[in-house]
Amino acid sequence: NAGVTQTPKFRVLKTGQSMTLLCAQDMNHEYMYWYRQDPGMGLRLIHYSVGEGTTAKGEVPDGYNVSRLKKQNFLLGLESAAPSQTSVYFCASSYSGLHNEQFFGPGTRLTVL
Amino acid sequence: AQKVTQAQTEISVVEKEDVTLDCVYETRDTTYYLFWYKQPPSGELVFLIRRNSFDEQNEISGRYSWNFQKSTSSFNFTITASQVVDSAVYFCALSELGRDDKIIFGKGTRLHILP
Repeated sequence: NAGVTQTPKFRVLKTGQSMTLLCAQDMNHEYMYWYRQDPGMGLRLIHYSVGEGTTAKGEVPDGYNVSRLKKQNFLLGLESAAPSQTSVYFCASSYSGLHNEQFFGPGTRLTVL
Repeated sequence: AQKVTQAQTEISVVEKEDVTLDCVYETRDTTYYLFWYKQPPSGELVFLIRRNSFDEQNEISGRYSWNFQKSTSSFNFTITASQVVDSAVYFCALSELGRDDKIIFGKGTRLHILP
């Protein structure tokens, strides 16, 4: 039982490059989330999904896209990376909505040069 | 508007001392949820507790206790007899149950337990 896993753990991009972060959970959770964590800023919700095939915007969605083609996976895409997207990205999942306990992945450290 | 304030950016205490981490929140909703999460040096956030707005009972779990006071909009976290393993960043978060799914995290308090 791996919980929530994220791929990759680290990545360096050049401005304008694209990439996809993969999140997988094996707890059969309906809800999945992507956050970014910046120094001194806490966590901010980027996008989330309330079930397979659904996505919704969070607090800071600009510059990101997401997809939830399978219940266990939630992908975060950066189409044209910018230095302002340098951050640590966390994926999380929960059995039901944001009012419940979330289980977090180990994070992906992304640097955009 | 939703807001979570953790005024203590960084705290250092000597092992075995008690320490309280403050969390003050703002919300217009009558139904909301408060959380504490721990982020140890390994980086992965770990859930500690959830409280809903209708349950003001204090909670104790081993050396951890939480004091929820709606009158002062606070949800403070106390570690009794601190240990080095308690060193981490602690986040308080607020979720409103209503029209939009929202969760707001505080900026976190970095706790150093000195041996």
